Amino acid sequence: DTEVTQTPKHLVMGMTNKKSLKCEQHMGHRAMYWYKQKAKKPPELMFVYSYEKLSINESVPSRFSPECPNSSLLNLHLHALQPEDSALYLCASSQAVTGLYGYTFGSGTRLTVV
Amino acid sequence: GESVGLHLPTLSVQEGDNSIINCAYSNSASDYFIWYKQESGKGPQFIIDIRSNMDKRQGQRVTVLLNKTVKHLSLQIAATQPGDSAVYFCAENAGGTSYGKLTFGQGTILTVHP
Repeated sequence: DTEVTQTPKHLVMGMTNKKSLKCEQHMGHRAMYWYKQKAKKPPELMFVYSYEKLSINESVPSRFSPECPNSSLLNLHLHALQPEDSALYLCASSQAVTGLYGYTFGSGTRLTVV
Repeated sequence: GESVGLHLPTLSVQEGDNSIINCAYSNSASDYFIWYKQESGKGPQFIIDIRSNMDKRQGQRVTVLLNKTVKHLSLQIAATQPGDSAVYFCAENAGGTSYGKLTFGQGTILTVHP
């Protein structure tokens, strides 16, 4: 298995809802990442997990809460989002926590906040 | 031709032409660089990478050039095909205490006309 799998592919949620995005990889990669991508913009890093511990938080608002239950799984819990949070949320993983052997990206979850 | 402005830079070529996509990176400490292709509704797809101890690397139909003096990367695509139409991003791994952090450039839209 050489893929990063993200679910759901599409999500519409209200501003008072709580939802979660899921990311899974079975490549034995030791680092996992969440990126946010707005239309016609590059992906922007949100969080980095190294060996299942949060190592980088790019000053992301607390309405986004990451979780890494085990080495294969990464979640992003969403609560009280704003319409401007609508974006493509990408998960990635890397074999080395340095990232120096490359990254594998999932296809993303298209999130719409109404 | 190529244009830069408030929108993503664009490059339009004819099928069979060679394409050159440029990228300026920001961090002189970056030591690993990756080119990604992103098609509509999909996650970034790895094309080719290069480390800072190299100035050129070739793959199948693609070549990456790195000029550390002016902090510039380029991606050359030979015999461009309609299937190459996509947004292309360069990305840099900052290294040091920011290991794992991958920062994307603004991207270039490549359109290949049959």
